[in-house]
Amino acid sequence: EVQLVESGGGLVKPGGSLRLSCAASGFTFTSYSMNWVRQSPGKGLEWVSSISSNIGYIYYADSVKGRFTISRDNAENSLYLQMNSLRAEDTALYYCARGDFDYWGQGTLVTVSS
Amino acid sequence: QAVLTQPSSLSASHGASASLTCTLRSGMNVGTYRIYWYQQKSGSPPHYLLTYKSDSDKQQGSGVPSRFSGSKDASANAGILLISGLQSEDEADYYCMIWHSGAWVFGGGTKLTVL
Repeated sequence: EVQLVESGGGLVKPGGSLRLSCAASGFTFTSYSMNWVRQSPGKGLEWVSSISSNIGYIYYADSVKGRFTISRDNAENSLYLQMNSLRAEDTALYYCARGDFDYWGQGTLVTVSS
Repeated sequence: QAVLTQPSSLSASHGASASLTCTLRSGMNVGTYRIYWYQQKSGSPPHYLLTYKSDSDKQQGSGVPSRFSGSKDASANAGILLISGLQSEDEADYYCMIWHSGAWVFGGGTKLTVL
């Protein structure tokens, strides 16, 4: 059974940093690209970042470029999102999703507020 | 103008069919895009439904009933998610998505109400 479990969310002040993690199981992690998607309260889905299976390709949404860094540890079956210079508008539920977004985790909530 | 435009809401009767549209921005050609569809029920993560590019290039999500199907309307430059035999459990938000210019883009979502 494919499982994606996000962690690392929390309350952080504007300008602060957080590192999100996504633990993957139930599939061959090294065969899939991985993604982060966020959803602000009551709003729609917003793609954040994607990383290819061999880390050869990395993409970011313009809204996070230069502030967020996606990475993965294929030996640990884990995906990460380092978030720096956080802003109030980054407040959202952050989901990790496999490949063509065919499986999603439950999400981890990030709240940026003073 | 947004890359993908979805009507914010749609209502349809139990047992009827619902056609959810995802219109691409003027200047884009729907025929060249693979369109992904997701269902999100309140309090849950999105659930992958299907992908549609053409009748020969389409994929159904694992366990997704065949009453969910994809198509395109080239004249409207839109992707379509057709849900037939509507059930109360189909009440949810539905999102379309494409890969465009080096980024994944989601539509704003359609809230489907089953009457």
